[in-house]
Amino acid sequence: EVQLVESGGGLVKPGGSLRISCAASGFTFSDAWMSWARQAPGKGLEWVGRIKSKTDRGTTDYAAPVKGRFSISRDDSKNTLYLQMNSLKTEDTAVYYCTTARNGYFWWGQGTLVTVSS
Amino acid sequence: EIVMTQSPATLSVSPGARATLSCRASQSVSSNLAWYQQIPGQVPRLLIYGASTRATGIPARFSGSGSGTEFTLTISSLQSEDFAVYYCQHYNSWPYTFGQGTKLEIK
Repeated sequence: EVQLVESGGGLVKPGGSLRISCAASGFTFSDAWMSWARQAPGKGLEWVGRIKSKTDRGTTDYAAPVKGRFSISRDDSKNTLYLQMNSLKTEDTAVYYCTTARNGYFWWGQGTLVTVSS
Repeated sequence: EIVMTQSPATLSVSPGARATLSCRASQSVSSNLAWYQQIPGQVPRLLIYGASTRATGIPARFSGSGSGTEFTLTISSLQSEDFAVYYCQHYNSWPYTFGQGTKLEIK
C-alpha cells in the first residue's frame, strides 16, 4: 500500500525559511516521480513542483509562484522527499501535500500545514 | 500553462438525482485528466483518472467521460456523502493544473 507522510510544517515569519519532508513507503521510491501540491485555507488546489527519478536525471520543475524560492530534493536512500521553502510570503500559507503517480493514478499524503505570519 | 475551467461553480441537486459536472481545458490534454472529490478538512480523494477509469474503491455511480478539451463527471443517484467540492486536474504536461472546483450542494 502506498503511504506518504508529510512532516515539518509550522509557523514561520515572512521572509523566513522552512523545510518539510515526506516519508514514502509501499512502492519503489527511487523509480517514482514525486510532486508537491498545496491548498491555501478556503482555496483550491495548486501544484508546487515535481522532481523526476534519478533515472530521468532527477530534474525539477516548479510552478511560477514559487520558482526561485522553493527547491525540491529527494534522498532515495531514505525514501524521503523534501521541499525547501525560502523567502516565504503570507500567501504561501497552505496545507502542503506530497503526491506521486503511476499511469495517471495519483496518491496523496495527509498534508502538513505551513503558516506564514508575523 | 493549460487553464482548466469547471462549470458550474455551484450545483444544487436533490439526493437521489443525477449530477453532471463539466471541465474544459484551454488546449488538448488528451485523456490525461483526473477528477477528485474533497470534503472540507480532508485530503482530496481520487475518483477518476485517464478521464474515465475509476480509482480503487470508487462506487460505480461515479463515471467520467471526454477527451481532448471537454470532460464530464457524472454522479448518478446522489448519496448524502457525495455533497462535496469536485476538482478536475490535467497531467498532460507540466505545469499540471486544477480547475477552480465545483461545489455540489444539497437542494
